[in-house]
Amino acid sequence: GQNIDQPTEMTATEGAIVQINCTYQTSGFNGLFWYQQHAGEAPTFLSYNVLDGLEEKGRFSSFLSRSKGYSYLLLKELQMKDSASYLCAVRGNAGKSTFGDGTTLTVKP
Amino acid sequence: DTEVTQTPKHLVMGMTNKKSLKCEQHMGHRAMYWYKQKAKKPPELMFVYSYEKLSINESVPSRFSPECPNSSLLNLHLHALQPEDSALYLCASSQDPSSRRATIYFGEGSWLTVV
Repeated sequence: GQNIDQPTEMTATEGAIVQINCTYQTSGFNGLFWYQQHAGEAPTFLSYNVLDGLEEKGRFSSFLSRSKGYSYLLLKELQMKDSASYLCAVRGNAGKSTFGDGTTLTVKP
Repeated sequence: DTEVTQTPKHLVMGMTNKKSLKCEQHMGHRAMYWYKQKAKKPPELMFVYSYEKLSINESVPSRFSPECPNSSLLNLHLHALQPEDSALYLCASSQDPSSRRATIYFGEGSWLTVV
């Protein structure tokens, strides 16, 4: 089975940096995804990690340690529009991806 | 272009109705998915189609019936639903179900209300 843990809520200030952690225990691992979901909208893809290390994409970076079952999403230069839910998803066997419960990020002025 | 199109965007149906949700993608993706999402909860996988064949059914009740007419289309037929089935239904697709880089791209979803 899959067990994915993320903090439920986080708050940060505009212009700051925030790190959202995700830990997982899975029976198979074929990559870890981060998605952003604004209220009332569908999830949108942010990043993908399958090897250990840091993947950087503009203001967003994602890190993976497979041995520790740990990932984080780093958001820099926070903007008000970054207020959203951030979903960690682990891709297991047979094309099946399981989502964590998501972290609701609130960015304050 | 990473577009998955779903129709209708909103659907209200009675418990005795029969309706369908439709999904279309023209990215050449060979895996298509249905997810169900309740408010403040993560998406829950319902079905996976791989090369137009049903590969995963997450023990979904038979009142939900998926159909994949071709590699670009995915339908979800609804019959005799319950009010607790009201949710956002998300269609998604990915390049190749066996690929390790098969990122899932979501459609905007269909909001379903069962009355």
